[in-house]
Amino acid sequence: DVKVTQSSRYLVKRTGEKVFLECVQDMDHENMFWYRQDPGLGLRLIYFSYDVKMKEKGDIPEGYSVSREKKERFSLILESASTNQTSMYLCASRSGQANQETQYFGPGTRLLVL
Amino acid sequence: GIQVEQSPPDLILQEGANSTLRCNFSDSVNNLQWFHQNPWGQLINLFYIPSGTKQNGRLSATTVATERYSLLYISSSQTTDSGVYFCAVELNAGNMLTFGGGTRLMVKP
Repeated sequence: DVKVTQSSRYLVKRTGEKVFLECVQDMDHENMFWYRQDPGLGLRLIYFSYDVKMKEKGDIPEGYSVSREKKERFSLILESASTNQTSMYLCASRSGQANQETQYFGPGTRLLVL
Repeated sequence: GIQVEQSPPDLILQEGANSTLRCNFSDSVNNLQWFHQNPWGQLINLFYIPSGTKQNGRLSATTVATERYSLLYISSSQTTDSGVYFCAVELNAGNMLTFGGGTRLMVKP
């Protein structure tokens, strides 16, 4: 079974802090994604990566950056956390091969920025 | 961009009842998935179904790609089926999934 893990289930940070959210997958997937989920707004894509050191902006990249130094790890960085970044953050991965497009999600990180 | 609409937004069932959830999308898609988000926030894959019909236990799904909709059937519902069901689609180009707004299901004992 595919396993996607996230470094924290719950996180509390202060405004202005630098925040790192880590995601690791164990299936050698090429593609990895970061979403945030907010009530009434659904899931929105922040960034995705289709290979090591490659990244693409999603729908709402402002205020975030990402890092993919190794294939299995995709990090989301909040350079200076703000209260409007309080949210549920979900990481996902999928194979880059045709007909294996299923995305698998991690358990999520609930981030509270005070 | 592509629009994904799910209905109904909320659904309350008595345990043992059957239900049908619908997902409409506005363009041709390469990929369609159904997910269940449990009360702890975990998104669980139910089906990868860009076309055709699949069944997995009490759940089944049908996608009619030419008419741009997909249906998720839940039979003999159980309290553990409660949560939010999302449909997500991917256009022919790119790897990004666009999610619908979800159907929030509550199954009462």
